Amino acid sequence: GNSVTQMEGPVTLSEEAFLTINCTYTATGYPSLFWYVQYPGEGLQLLLKATKADDKGSNKGFEATYRKETTSFHLEKGSVQVSDSAVYFCALRAGGYQKVTFGTGTKLQVIP
Amino acid sequence: NAGVMQNPRHLVRRRGQEARLRCSPMKGHSHVYWYRQLPEEGLKFMVYLQKENIIDESGMPKERFSAEFPKEGPSILRIQQVVRGDSAAYFCASSPGTSGRDDEQYFGPGTRLTVT
Repeated sequence: GNSVTQMEGPVTLSEEAFLTINCTYTATGYPSLFWYVQYPGEGLQLLLKATKADDKGSNKGFEATYRKETTSFHLEKGSVQVSDSAVYFCALRAGGYQKVTFGTGTKLQVIP
Repeated sequence: NAGVMQNPRHLVRRRGQEARLRCSPMKGHSHVYWYRQLPEEGLKFMVYLQKENIIDESGMPKERFSAEFPKEGPSILRIQQVVRGDSAAYFCASSPGTSGRDDEQYFGPGTRLTVT
């Protein structure tokens, strides 16, 4: 079946540090890939997505590139802010099926 | 355009009671999904519904859980005879039902169920 594996947290960074959260996936066919963010006490917000190999999703300074050869979709940001503190979920949706498969989430804490 | 709405936001039930969670999809969306997030875990798919039809319920527990999305009104996730292990955040998502990869799911704020 489909699965998503992402690095365990929590990840603690100082403000303006570089962020990488690793994500790899297993899926049949050509899934769409997503990063969602969940702020404390809130629901999920779509951060970015990519629907085919070599696509780069980007939003709010975050980026992730769909790498089919390594089945990865790592999240990066060049300079994190305190307001980026949240839980980040990598996810996929396999073609032809509508349910989204999530990773377990990575908690990011950015300290001033 | 209002987003996906869920109510209540917080629900406390005693063991053995029933819990009813409501989800109003975004305007123009005809597809609804329910996910459960256990403490310190990711979201797990439960059920996918279109108006008056259950399309995929492969993630629903076999007993005590049911879901509906009637022609009129919100989608309802119903949990009968709740147990402590049902304590979780339940998220609803909706999508417009367009074909292909553009059928984006938008998530509601969730209902946090606590069973005492």
